[in-house]
Amino acid sequence: GQSLEQPSEVTAVEGAIVQINCTYQTSGFYGLSWYQQHDGGAPTFLSYNALDGLEETGRFSSFLSRSDSYGYLLLQELQMKDSASYFCAVRVNTGRRALTFGSGTRLQVQP
Amino acid sequence: DTGVSQDPRHKITKRGQNVTFRCDPISEHNRLYWYRQTLGQGPEFLTYFQNEAQLEKSRLLSDRFSAERPKGSFSTLEIQRTEQGDSAMYLCASSFSTSGRIYNEQFFGPGTRLTVL
Repeated sequence: GQSLEQPSEVTAVEGAIVQINCTYQTSGFYGLSWYQQHDGGAPTFLSYNALDGLEETGRFSSFLSRSDSYGYLLLQELQMKDSASYFCAVRVNTGRRALTFGSGTRLQVQP
Repeated sequence: DTGVSQDPRHKITKRGQNVTFRCDPISEHNRLYWYRQTLGQGPEFLTYFQNEAQLEKSRLLSDRFSAERPKGSFSTLEIQRTEQGDSAMYLCASSFSTSGRIYNEQFFGPGTRLTVL
C-alpha cells in the first residue's frame, strides 16, 4: 500500500517561516508534489520535486530526499492568506498518473 | 473563465438513487482525473483518462461507479444506487502532456459536493 505522513496542524505567526514535513512509504516513487487548499476551495499546485534537492518558487520552497523518503514544504514571510491546508502527494511511477495524497496539514497563521 | 469547471456544485440525493456529475477540463488538456475527498482527508484517486481512453481505475471505483470521456473533452462520473458512504466532494482535475514533455501540475475544479440522505 501507499502511505504519506504529515502533521495534522501547524500554527505560526505572520512574517515567520514554517516547515511542513512529509514522509512517504510507497511501492514506487516518481515525484513529490505539494498542493494548497483553502477551505471550500479546490487544491492548487505549489511545487514538484523529482530529484533530490531544493526547488524555490517565490516565498515557497520544497525539498526532497529520495534516500530518506522525505520531503518538506517551506513557507517564508507568512501571510494571513497562507492559512490553508497543505497536501503532499506522490506519483508512484511513470506508468501511473494518479497522485496519492497525504491527509494534509492545516496551517493557521496568526497575526 | 478558462479553468476546470464542474456541474453541479452541490447534489443532495436519497439513498438508492443514481447521480451523474460533469467535468469540463481546460480545453487543451488531454488528461483528466477524478478524485474523491472527504472532510479532513486528502483527495483519493478514482480514475484517469488520456483523451477518451480510461487508463487507470482505483479499487475505490466499485461497480456502482462509471466514468466516461466520450470525445476526449468533458467527462461524466455516474454513481448508481448511491449509499450514504458515497457522501463526499468529487473533484475533477486535468493536465497536459506531449510526447516530448510531461507537465506535473494537475489543475483542479471546484468539485461537486454529494450528500446522500
